[in-house]
Amino acid sequence: EDQVTQSPEALRLQEGESSSLNCSYTVSGLRGLFWYRQDPGKGPEFLFTLYSAGEEKEKERLKATLTKKESFLHITAPKPEDSATYLCAVQGPYSSASKIIFGSGTRLSIRP
Amino acid sequence: EPEVTQTPSHQVTQMGQEVILRCVPISNHLYFYWYRQILGQKVEFLVSFYNNEISEKSEIFDDQFSVERPDGSNFTLKIRSTKLEDSAMYFCASSGGLAGRGEQFFGPGTRLTVL
Repeated sequence: EDQVTQSPEALRLQEGESSSLNCSYTVSGLRGLFWYRQDPGKGPEFLFTLYSAGEEKEKERLKATLTKKESFLHITAPKPEDSATYLCAVQGPYSSASKIIFGSGTRLSIRP
Repeated sequence: EPEVTQTPSHQVTQMGQEVILRCVPISNHLYFYWYRQILGQKVEFLVSFYNNEISEKSEIFDDQFSVERPDGSNFTLKIRSTKLEDSAMYFCASSGGLAGRGEQFFGPGTRLTVL
């Protein structure tokens, strides 16, 4: 069964303290791995798509990387406004309009 | 920037009542989805829709649920007889990727409370 596991569940950092969030996945025939940001009471906000091992994407203080078994979201010199839950999701080789399967997320809190 | 919109933002209903949740996907997207998130839990897939028919549905999406694209812009989720356990955030999403591959863009959600 396809599965997405994220760690840690929660992470508290000081402003400027860099770290990484982990997403390990098992899916037969990965079509895409996605990172989303979710603020409390809001919908997931798209950040990155990664399609193949070795691929990297960057946006401001965030950088996502992908291997054959896991993905990392690196956050460099975070600011309090980066506090949110970060969700990892995968899309497998299903039908058209394929679903994506989400992990439980990492709750990131940045202290000023 | 184009975005997915959803109405209402919050719906309160009595158990056994019918509710319709509405979504306007991004205008040039062809693939549409409903997901839900029970408080404190994962976002979970309900149903996908393409070319005016259901493409895939989860075990959650039983006979009490239905989806419709009544016109060229709206996409709706109907729950015929709500149960307490249907209380959740419901998210609509759309995708423009070829064959439904690629990122899905989510709306702000409708919080459904069943009393």
